[in-house]
Amino acid sequence: AQSVTQLDSQVPVFEEAPVELRCNYSSSVSVYLFWYVQYPNQGLQLLLKYLSGSTLVKGINGFEAEFNKSQTSFHLRKPSVHISDTAEYFCAVSDRSGNTPLVFGKGTRLSVIA
Amino acid sequence: DSGVTQTPKHLITATGQRVTLRCSPRSGDLSVYWYQQSLDQGLQFLIQYYNGEERAKGNILERFSAQQFPDLHSELNLSSLELGDSALYFCASSPHTTDTQYFGPGTRLTVL
Repeated sequence: AQSVTQLDSQVPVFEEAPVELRCNYSSSVSVYLFWYVQYPNQGLQLLLKYLSGSTLVKGINGFEAEFNKSQTSFHLRKPSVHISDTAEYFCAVSDRSGNTPLVFGKGTRLSVIA
Repeated sequence: DSGVTQTPKHLITATGQRVTLRCSPRSGDLSVYWYQQSLDQGLQFLIQYYNGEERAKGNILERFSAQQFPDLHSELNLSSLELGDSALYFCASSPHTTDTQYFGPGTRLTVL
């Protein structure tokens, strides 16, 4: 079974500053990794995903994440945040067989301060 | 807009009642997933259907049931509702079983 740990429940950051949201996973098999964003009162929107290939994945809204197999991490980064990036961010993992469902972390609330 | 629709958007009901939540997947998607999001439990996978058949089961209570119809829409039935069932219920869909899941806007259930 897979599990996901998002190391920070809340991350406050000033506008135009860089941000990193940390995610570590545990799995005995090869996985797919995802980051979703949830804006207030909305559903989850896919930011980016790692399926295979390059370990640096670029997503929407200027976000990127790096898959590190040795450290079992998939940290999300953005070089310069905007007020509109204020939201809840979820890291998720699934195995490649499709036999187990998507497992989510508990989320990180990113608050961008003007 | 993900292409996944859910109705109703909000639902307020009393303890002991039964409700049905509806989900229409993206066009062409065969898999439908149901999740519950609450403050204390976070995002919990409930159940998955693939082309009409139950594919995987998560932390779904016996009072809850779901089905996927021939037109691929899905319904989640919640019965004997308790205060603790108040939550956001999300539906997601994907083309098959290992693909990216796309989420609907959710149904906010309030049990009074």
